[in-house]
Amino acid sequence: QQQVKQSPQSLIVQKGGISIINCAYENTAFDYFPWYQQFPGKGPALLIAIRPDVSEKKEGRFTISFNKSAKQFSLHIMDSQPGDSATYFCAARGEANFGNEKLTFGTGTRLTIIP
Amino acid sequence: DGGITQSPKYLFRKEGQNVTLSCEQNLNHDAMYWYRQDPGQGLRLIYYSQIVNDFQKGDIAEGYSVSREKKESFPLTVTSAQKNPTAFYLCASSIIGRSEKLFFGSGTQLSVL
Repeated sequence: QQQVKQSPQSLIVQKGGISIINCAYENTAFDYFPWYQQFPGKGPALLIAIRPDVSEKKEGRFTISFNKSAKQFSLHIMDSQPGDSATYFCAARGEANFGNEKLTFGTGTRLTIIP
Repeated sequence: DGGITQSPKYLFRKEGQNVTLSCEQNLNHDAMYWYRQDPGQGLRLIYYSQIVNDFQKGDIAEGYSVSREKKESFPLTVTSAQKNPTAFYLCASSIIGRSEKLFFGSGTQLSVL
């Protein structure tokens, strides 16, 4: 059962443009929504995360927009650079009861920034 | 430097063979996890552990086994019962209560000969 749906599967953006990746979830018990960035041959690394009581969070060129009523959230990368070319995963965390706070990941988006 | 070390980077399995992937962390984290990554399928949780000598099955535990004898170590065995083992395996750790912030190793690519 896919609890976090991510789109698009791949994305090509020109340098300086805005990259947008979208995710949707079903389980209203999720309580934290992180985004991870992965470069080829490496493990993912946390990029930015948001709680559902906040509609937007910005860190540098990266912004998460969160729509609780629609159960959707998205990652925006402003002024996209070739160094941003990577695979991005959205994720959702189960409620933090002991033994239940697992991350469920989306299927990933391969982002390519072209000059 | 603190971090997670996975070894080997590449591993080949013959039919009917069990293989063990190593994961060691020096972050002093209580929680450790194993994920499997396949193209187009994201990361799927195999097993996780929040304390020594205790672990829980994730979403795709069949054909895998783990142990947690030390806080720093969480090895994963891919058994012969796992019929489709070719994948990129990622080990991660976190502070208890902060599982939104996983620290990942660099992964092991397992292939079948």
